[in-house]
Amino acid sequence: ETGVTQSPTHLIKTRGQQVTLRCSSQSGHNTVSWYQQALGQGPQFIFQYYREEENGRGNFPPRFSGLQFPNYSSELNVNALELDDSALYLCASSFRQGQVDTDTQYFGPGTRLTVL
Amino acid sequence: ELKVEQNPLFLSMQEGKNYTIYCNYSTTSDRLYWYRQDPGKSLESLFVLLSNGAVKQEGRLMASLDTKARLSTLHITAAVHDLSATYFCAVDRVQPSGTYKYIFGTGTRLKVLA
Repeated sequence: ETGVTQSPTHLIKTRGQQVTLRCSSQSGHNTVSWYQQALGQGPQFIFQYYREEENGRGNFPPRFSGLQFPNYSSELNVNALELDDSALYLCASSFRQGQVDTDTQYFGPGTRLTVL
Repeated sequence: ELKVEQNPLFLSMQEGKNYTIYCNYSTTSDRLYWYRQDPGKSLESLFVLLSNGAVKQEGRLMASLDTKARLSTLHITAAVHDLSATYFCAVDRVQPSGTYKYIFGTGTRLKVLA
């Protein structure tokens, strides 16, 4: 059983640029969630994808967007990067039946994004 | 609005001592989760609590849930240095609209002193 993987591990961008982060879900999981964790803070829910559609969203602007692919992997895209977007971006996968997850989420190692 | 608060935010304790971390949440939620995070690392799932009165234990950690009080506790028994980490609780909820929310608490940074 393979765990959740994310790429890249580190990324440096400049303000105004666009970035794409990638996540492969754990084997058998069909749901992917993305979180932003600023230094010293708790993770903030960005959005969740289930059946290739956005299933819920936190308080993030539309320049944060995502995709889920038929193999349940996912991408997080951030346009017009701002300095405050510097953070650890975590992806988590889970298995959903109906409206609820059957177990906890399993987190990937994260992508650390620095915006200069 | 769904909010999750933990206390204390920081906890420094001696090895061998017992202590409890508290997690309060503001509205009805579906489940309560506890995670551990080591510095510079991702989150490790500790417990999932599904119903009122649920209690789960793993080693020196025990978590409980009181849905009527909207309170979960993480109790540490006879702390050891290896338990030093940041602990987060989180709740999730399917909104009336059918969409999903997942909210983390503020985190409790635990340091166990030898």
